[in-house]
Amino acid sequence: DGGITQSPKYLFRKEGQNVTLSCEQNLNHDAMYWYRQDPGQGLRLIYYSQIVNDFQKGDIAEGYSVSREKKESFPLTVTSAQKNPTAFYLCASSILQTGGTGEQYFGPGTRLTVT
Amino acid sequence: QKEVEQNSGPLSVPEGAIASLNCTYSDRGSQSFFWYRQYSGKSPELIMFIYSNGDKEDGRFTAQLNKASQYVSLLIRDSQPSDSATYLCAGYNFNKFYFGSGTKLNVKP
Repeated sequence: DGGITQSPKYLFRKEGQNVTLSCEQNLNHDAMYWYRQDPGQGLRLIYYSQIVNDFQKGDIAEGYSVSREKKESFPLTVTSAQKNPTAFYLCASSILQTGGTGEQYFGPGTRLTVT
Repeated sequence: QKEVEQNSGPLSVPEGAIASLNCTYSDRGSQSFFWYRQYSGKSPELIMFIYSNGDKEDGRFTAQLNKASQYVSLLIRDSQPSDSATYLCAGYNFNKFYFGSGTKLNVKP
Protein backbone atom coordinates (compact mmCIF):
# COMPACT_ATOMS: atom_id res chain seq x y z
CA ASP A 1 0.00 0.00 0.00
CA GLY A 2 1.76 3.16 -1.19
CA GLY A 3 1.17 6.43 0.53
CA ILE A 4 2.02 8.97 3.18
CA THR A 5 1.49 8.21 6.84
CA GLN A 6 1.40 10.68 9.68
CA SER A 7 1.26 9.88 13.33
CA PRO A 8 -0.36 10.39 15.68
CA LYS A 9 -3.74 11.50 14.31
CA TYR A 10 -4.46 13.56 17.42
CA LEU A 11 -1.88 14.97 19.81
CA PHE A 12 -2.37 16.90 23.03
CA ARG A 13 0.45 18.73 24.79
CA LYS A 14 0.96 21.21 27.56
CA GLU A 15 2.33 24.62 26.75
CA GLY A 16 6.12 24.75 26.96
CA GLN A 17 6.69 21.19 25.74
CA ASN A 18 8.34 20.31 22.45
CA VAL A 19 6.52 17.76 20.33
CA THR A 20 7.57 15.79 17.24
CA LEU A 21 5.15 14.87 14.45
CA SER A 22 6.00 11.90 12.29
CA CYS A 23 5.74 11.75 8.48
CA GLU A 24 6.73 8.74 6.37
CA GLN A 25 6.22 8.08 2.66
CA ASN A 26 6.83 4.98 0.56
CA LEU A 27 6.14 6.64 -2.79
CA ASN A 28 9.84 7.18 -3.52
CA HIS A 29 9.16 10.90 -3.79
CA ASP A 30 12.10 13.29 -3.68
CA ALA A 31 10.41 16.28 -2.10
CA MET A 32 8.57 16.49 1.21
CA TYR A 33 6.69 19.39 2.76
CA TRP A 34 5.09 20.44 6.03
CA TYR A 35 2.07 22.73 6.10
CA ARG A 36 -0.06 24.17 8.82
CA GLN A 37 -3.80 24.78 8.43
CA ASP A 38 -5.87 26.86 10.83
CA PRO A 39 -9.70 26.76 10.88
CA GLY A 40 -11.17 28.29 7.72
CA GLN A 41 -7.73 29.03 6.33
CA GLY A 42 -5.59 27.81 3.49
CA LEU A 43 -2.30 25.97 3.87
CA ARG A 44 0.84 27.74 5.02
CA LEU A 45 4.24 26.24 4.26
CA ILE A 46 6.47 25.56 7.27
CA TYR A 47 9.46 23.68 5.79
CA TYR A 48 10.27 21.71 2.69
CA SER A 49 13.03 19.37 1.57
CA GLN A 50 14.03 18.25 -1.91
CA ILE A 51 16.90 15.97 -0.96
CA VAL A 52 18.18 14.04 2.00
CA ASN A 53 20.09 16.13 4.55
CA ASP A 54 18.83 19.40 3.05
CA PHE A 55 15.75 21.47 3.79
CA GLN A 56 14.52 25.04 3.40
CA LYS A 57 12.35 27.32 5.49
CA GLY A 58 8.88 28.08 4.27
CA ASP A 59 6.76 31.11 5.10
CA ILE A 60 6.21 30.36 8.79
CA ALA A 61 9.28 28.40 9.98
CA GLU A 62 9.75 30.22 13.29
CA GLY A 63 9.24 27.89 16.24
CA TYR A 64 9.56 24.74 14.12
CA SER A 65 12.44 22.43 13.19
CA VAL A 66 12.80 19.49 10.80
CA SER A 67 15.28 16.83 9.74
CA ARG A 68 15.64 14.74 6.56
CA GLU A 69 17.98 11.88 7.39
CA LYS A 70 16.18 9.43 5.12
CA LYS A 71 14.32 9.94 1.84
CA GLU A 72 11.21 8.36 3.35
CA SER A 73 11.02 10.39 6.53
CA PHE A 74 10.56 14.09 7.34
CA PRO A 75 9.67 14.63 11.03
CA LEU A 76 8.55 18.04 12.27
CA THR A 77 9.27 19.31 15.79
CA VAL A 78 7.01 21.99 17.20
CA THR A 79 9.07 23.78 19.80
CA SER A 80 7.98 25.79 22.81
CA ALA A 81 9.00 28.90 20.86
CA GLN A 82 6.00 28.51 18.55
CA LYS A 83 3.47 30.97 19.94
CA ASN A 84 0.27 29.44 18.56
CA PRO A 85 0.97 25.76 17.92
CA THR A 86 -2.61 24.48 17.98
CA ALA A 87 -3.44 23.62 14.36
CA PHE A 88 -3.91 20.87 11.79
CA TYR A 89 -0.48 19.80 10.46
CA LEU A 90 -0.21 18.28 7.01
CA CYS A 91 2.74 16.50 5.49
CA ALA A 92 2.99 16.16 1.71
CA SER A 93 5.37 14.74 -0.87
CA SER A 94 5.95 15.07 -4.59
CA ILE A 95 8.25 13.90 -7.38
CA LEU A 96 10.63 16.49 -8.74
CA GLN A 97 10.54 16.74 -12.51
CA THR A 98 12.71 18.77 -14.86
CA GLY A 99 11.06 22.10 -15.57
CA GLY A 100 8.44 21.74 -12.89
CA THR A 101 7.08 19.30 -10.43
CA GLY A 102 5.00 16.25 -10.20
CA GLU A 103 1.78 16.26 -8.31
CA GLN A 104 1.83 16.78 -4.56
CA TYR A 105 0.04 14.33 -2.31
CA PHE A 106 -0.93 14.74 1.32
CA GLY A 107 -0.88 12.54 4.37
CA PRO A 108 -3.94 12.28 6.64
CA GLY A 109 -2.71 15.02 8.97
CA THR A 110 -2.05 15.42 12.68
CA ARG A 111 -4.31 17.61 14.77
CA LEU A 112 -2.23 19.19 17.54
CA THR A 113 -3.83 20.83 20.55
CA VAL A 114 -1.67 22.70 23.04
CA THR A 115 -3.18 23.91 26.31
CA GLN B 1 -0.92 40.51 -1.93
CA LYS B 2 -1.75 36.83 -1.79
CA GLU B 3 -0.11 34.62 -4.39
CA VAL B 4 -3.31 32.70 -5.11
CA GLU B 5 -6.80 34.06 -4.49
CA GLN B 6 -10.13 32.31 -4.31
CA ASN B 7 -13.62 33.38 -3.37
CA SER B 8 -14.34 31.73 -0.01
CA GLY B 9 -17.99 31.08 -0.90
CA PRO B 10 -20.04 29.23 -0.04
CA LEU B 11 -21.04 28.42 -3.59
CA SER B 12 -24.39 26.65 -3.65
CA VAL B 13 -25.57 24.67 -6.67
CA PRO B 14 -28.42 22.20 -7.10
CA GLU B 15 -27.69 18.55 -7.68
CA GLY B 16 -27.00 17.85 -11.35
CA ALA B 17 -25.87 21.40 -12.13
CA ILE B 18 -22.41 22.59 -13.18
CA ALA B 19 -20.30 24.06 -10.39
CA SER B 20 -17.71 26.61 -11.47
CA LEU B 21 -14.82 27.37 -9.13
CA ASN B 22 -12.34 30.12 -9.89
CA CYS B 23 -8.85 31.09 -8.87
CA THR B 24 -6.50 33.93 -9.80
CA TYR B 25 -2.76 34.07 -9.25
CA SER B 26 -0.25 36.88 -9.13
CA ASP B 27 3.02 35.15 -10.05
CA ARG B 28 3.44 34.92 -13.83
CA GLY B 29 6.29 32.48 -13.27
CA SER B 30 3.95 29.85 -11.86
CA GLN B 31 4.43 26.71 -13.89
CA SER B 32 1.57 24.45 -12.95
CA PHE B 33 -1.70 24.49 -11.09
CA PHE B 34 -3.54 22.01 -8.94
CA TRP B 35 -7.05 21.59 -7.60
CA TYR B 36 -7.60 19.78 -4.31
CA ARG B 37 -10.82 18.74 -2.62
CA GLN B 38 -10.89 18.85 1.17
CA TYR B 39 -13.70 17.41 3.23
CA SER B 40 -14.21 18.85 6.69
CA GLY B 41 -11.61 17.50 9.11
CA LYS B 42 -9.72 15.62 6.39
CA SER B 43 -6.57 16.25 4.39
CA PRO B 44 -6.64 17.64 0.83
CA GLU B 45 -7.10 15.18 -2.02
CA LEU B 46 -5.65 15.98 -5.46
CA ILE B 47 -8.34 15.92 -8.14
CA MET B 48 -6.86 17.77 -11.13
CA PHE B 49 -3.66 19.43 -12.31
CA ILE B 50 -2.93 21.51 -15.38
CA TYR B 51 0.29 22.83 -16.92
CA SER B 52 -0.73 24.20 -20.33
CA ASN B 53 -3.16 26.87 -21.45
CA GLY B 54 -6.58 25.53 -22.33
CA ASP B 55 -8.83 22.83 -20.93
CA LYS B 56 -8.09 19.47 -19.38
CA GLU B 57 -10.92 17.04 -18.76
CA ASP B 58 -11.07 14.08 -16.38
CA GLY B 59 -14.47 12.49 -15.93
CA ARG B 60 -16.86 15.07 -14.49
CA PHE B 61 -14.04 17.55 -13.86
CA THR B 62 -12.56 20.09 -16.27
CA ALA B 63 -9.66 22.34 -15.34
CA GLN B 64 -9.09 25.50 -17.36
CA LEU B 65 -5.93 27.61 -17.43
CA ASN B 66 -5.49 31.04 -18.96
CA LYS B 67 -1.94 32.23 -18.33
CA ALA B 68 -2.49 35.60 -20.04
CA SER B 69 -5.29 36.41 -17.60
CA GLN B 70 -3.60 34.52 -14.72
CA TYR B 71 -6.79 32.60 -14.16
CA VAL B 72 -7.50 28.97 -13.30
CA SER B 73 -10.91 27.38 -13.00
CA LEU B 74 -12.47 24.04 -12.16
CA LEU B 75 -15.80 22.94 -13.59
CA ILE B 76 -17.69 20.07 -11.98
CA ARG B 77 -20.44 18.68 -14.21
CA ASP B 78 -23.45 16.81 -12.86
CA SER B 79 -22.65 17.96 -9.33
CA GLN B 80 -23.47 15.49 -6.57
CA PRO B 81 -24.04 16.06 -2.85
CA SER B 82 -20.82 14.11 -2.29
CA ASP B 83 -18.97 16.93 -4.10
CA SER B 84 -19.79 19.24 -1.19
CA ALA B 85 -16.39 20.19 0.20
CA THR B 86 -13.82 22.96 0.18
CA TYR B 87 -11.81 23.21 -3.04
CA LEU B 88 -8.24 24.48 -2.81
CA CYS B 89 -6.38 25.95 -5.77
CA ALA B 90 -2.57 25.80 -5.75
CA GLY B 91 0.16 27.13 -8.01
CA TYR B 92 3.73 25.90 -8.22
CA ASN B 93 6.88 27.95 -8.73
CA PHE B 94 10.46 27.83 -7.50
CA ASN B 95 10.07 24.54 -5.66
CA LYS B 96 7.08 25.70 -3.63
CA PHE B 97 3.34 25.34 -3.84
CA TYR B 98 1.14 28.35 -3.11
CA PHE B 99 -2.37 27.66 -1.89
CA GLY B 100 -5.50 29.75 -1.96
CA SER B 101 -7.78 29.80 1.07
CA GLY B 102 -10.33 27.59 -0.65
CA THR B 103 -13.90 27.84 -1.90
CA LYS B 104 -16.61 25.99 -0.03
CA LEU B 105 -19.04 24.22 -2.36
CA ASN B 106 -22.50 23.08 -1.26
CA VAL B 107 -24.43 20.80 -3.61
CA LYS B 108 -28.08 20.70 -2.61
CA PRO B 109 -30.08 17.50 -3.24
